Amino acid sequence: AQSVSQHNHHVILSEAASLELGCNYSYGGTVNLFWYVQYPGQHLQLLLKYFSGDPLVKGIKGFEAEFIKSKFSFNLRKPSVQWSDTAEYFCAVNPGHNFNKFYFGSGTKLNVKP
Amino acid sequence: GAVVSQHPSRVICKSGTSVKIECRSLDFQATTMFWYRQFPKKSLMLMATSNEGSKATYEQGVEKDKFLINHASLTLSTLTVTSAHPEDSSFYICSARDLAGDTQYFGPGTRLTVL
Repeated sequence: AQSVSQHNHHVILSEAASLELGCNYSYGGTVNLFWYVQYPGQHLQLLLKYFSGDPLVKGIKGFEAEFIKSKFSFNLRKPSVQWSDTAEYFCAVNPGHNFNKFYFGSGTKLNVKP
Repeated sequence: GAVVSQHPSRVICKSGTSVKIECRSLDFQATTMFWYRQFPKKSLMLMATSNEGSKATYEQGVEKDKFLINHASLTLSTLTVTSAHPEDSSFYICSARDLAGDTQYFGPGTRLTVL
């Protein structure tokens, strides 16, 4: 069965630190990849997405993610986090361009200390 | 743009009763809506996918007679939890895919507590 793994369940950083959140998936075919963010008390919002082309994808609020096909990974990065980035981050995979199937990782809670 | 609402945001019910949750796309037409269940400290689990005017497609292990889904229009889908039991207590989230088809927009979720 397809799975999406986010190995970091809880990350604590100080402001201005760099961030990298891991995401690995098990589906072997073509995939669309997403990162969603859920700020406290709010609903899930799309940060960025990858369908094809340049494997380095830039999203909103200074986030970026890199698709490495050989590693089945789509890690999320930000060079310098802010307190306002405190949220939960979810990786999602849409296998085979079937837009009716989305598989989510378990999420990573990020706490940024001011 | 691309706002999805859910109603109610919280509901508490007695065991054995049925609960209906509404999901609306407010400013776009959603050909497909998705229903997820989120367990504490776990990922969103896709329960079913519904397309306007047709029967929902349920994921393996999800009881379709217990979780009734209706997608009567391009802006409204409902999830009815029938004969609810305490183990159905959870956070239910819907999302909607627009006509362009490549992105889901999520609702704020509904916290269901079954006593």
